[in-house]
Amino acid sequence: SQQGEEDPQALSIQEGENATMNCSYKTSINNLQWYRQNSGRGLVHLILIRSNEREKHSGRLRVTLDTSKKSSSLLITASRAADTASYFCATDNYGNNRLAFGKGNQVVVIP
Amino acid sequence: NAGVTQTPKFQVLKTGQSMTLQCAQDMNHNSMYWYRQDPGMGLRLIYYSASEGTTDKGEVPNGYNVSRLNKREFSLRLESAAPSQTSVYFCASIFGGTGTYTFGSGTRLTVV
Repeated sequence: SQQGEEDPQALSIQEGENATMNCSYKTSINNLQWYRQNSGRGLVHLILIRSNEREKHSGRLRVTLDTSKKSSSLLITASRAADTASYFCATDNYGNNRLAFGKGNQVVVIP
Repeated sequence: NAGVTQTPKFQVLKTGQSMTLQCAQDMNHNSMYWYRQDPGMGLRLIYYSASEGTTDKGEVPNGYNVSRLNKREFSLRLESAAPSQTSVYFCASIFGGTGTYTFGSGTRLTVV
């Protein structure tokens, strides 16, 4: 069954604004990952946060993980037009590298 | 360029026809995966291969077969295509341990 499940939002923001999207899951996880997919392309890994971590940064990306609420958020700061894409969270539930993906959030950044 | 290569990129099949989707990686990764992506459904795991010589079913294996030909190649076969198999198919690989996937660019399949 699907584990990572984003709020099914289509987010439209102005360039320079911040974009936040959320993900919830149902069972214990080993780690949670975020991927980006540009239109017509494959998914690209953005960031991984382990179950014993609460926050992680990578460039303009900030990910939080709340295992008590079984939820995660991805923040993109100072968005750019090139950030226009779909963003997926994925959970590794058993440490066996079988990722369960959510349905994705579409983000449009208007120049 | 190192990565995951999928062929073909596009394919149209008639109901009942068969075809094989090819996937190859040149990163010496141990594990390989096939997912399908449908609108509003995210990605769903069809089959995976944890290592050369092993394959296992994922979430939606019905109507598909796979072959892990060697460490580099993992193919997905549709024996008798159905319109419900119209989708975008992605292959991915991972070296091992707890890590991140490298995805191919996908095969867009339409069954009419």
